[in-house]
Amino acid sequence: EAGVVQSPRYKIIEKKQPVAFWCNPISGHNTLYWYLQNLGQGPELLIRYENEEAVDDSQLPKDRFSAERLKGVDSTLKIQPAELGDSAVYLCASSFLPGGTDTQYFGPGTRLTVL
Amino acid sequence: KQEVTQIPAALSVPEGENLVLNCSFTDSAIYNLQWFRQDPGKGLTSLLLIQSSQREQTSGRLNASLDKSSGRSTLYIAASQPGDSATYLCAVSAYKYIFGTGTRLKVLA
Repeated sequence: EAGVVQSPRYKIIEKKQPVAFWCNPISGHNTLYWYLQNLGQGPELLIRYENEEAVDDSQLPKDRFSAERLKGVDSTLKIQPAELGDSAVYLCASSFLPGGTDTQYFGPGTRLTVL
Repeated sequence: KQEVTQIPAALSVPEGENLVLNCSFTDSAIYNLQWFRQDPGKGLTSLLLIQSSQREQTSGRLNASLDKSSGRSTLYIAASQPGDSATYLCAVSAYKYIFGTGTRLKVLA
């Protein structure tokens, strides 16, 4: 069974440029999470989807970040414009059951460097 | 607001030693607690999940315990091996997961 797929694995951009990350969760997993992980820190939740509905986006900086999961399967996270402080690893995870009640499976992450 | 703390931040042990990693949390109203392993440059791999009604879970050389009333969990690793070297993160869940900052473990051959 394929795990959580993320692309790209690495991205280097200049500040003020846009960037997008893509995630395909494990087949059958209705819950999808986007996390941000800074160096030496644990992941911090940005947004959680149950199917195509964003049920928790309280930590998403909505002035520059956006996300979508149109058909309730794969998802895209976008930053526009990127700032130096956005340099981090962006992790996608999925689970079968909703709301933090179940094991989460993580993708390898996208390492973003903003110059 | 839930806060999760992991002690120690880093640990080096000789191969074969048994060791304990600690995780504490401030709000006992949780669904479950999960221990993860993260290798450098990689995503997180789930090791053990303990439901709030459980006291412990075991998988191979790993044993995790949960004491909700005191807000503590421990991850016990028996007979450590160099391949166990990684960062270990705990996360508590109440609608969403809150992660600790991790313990960086190095097992010396």
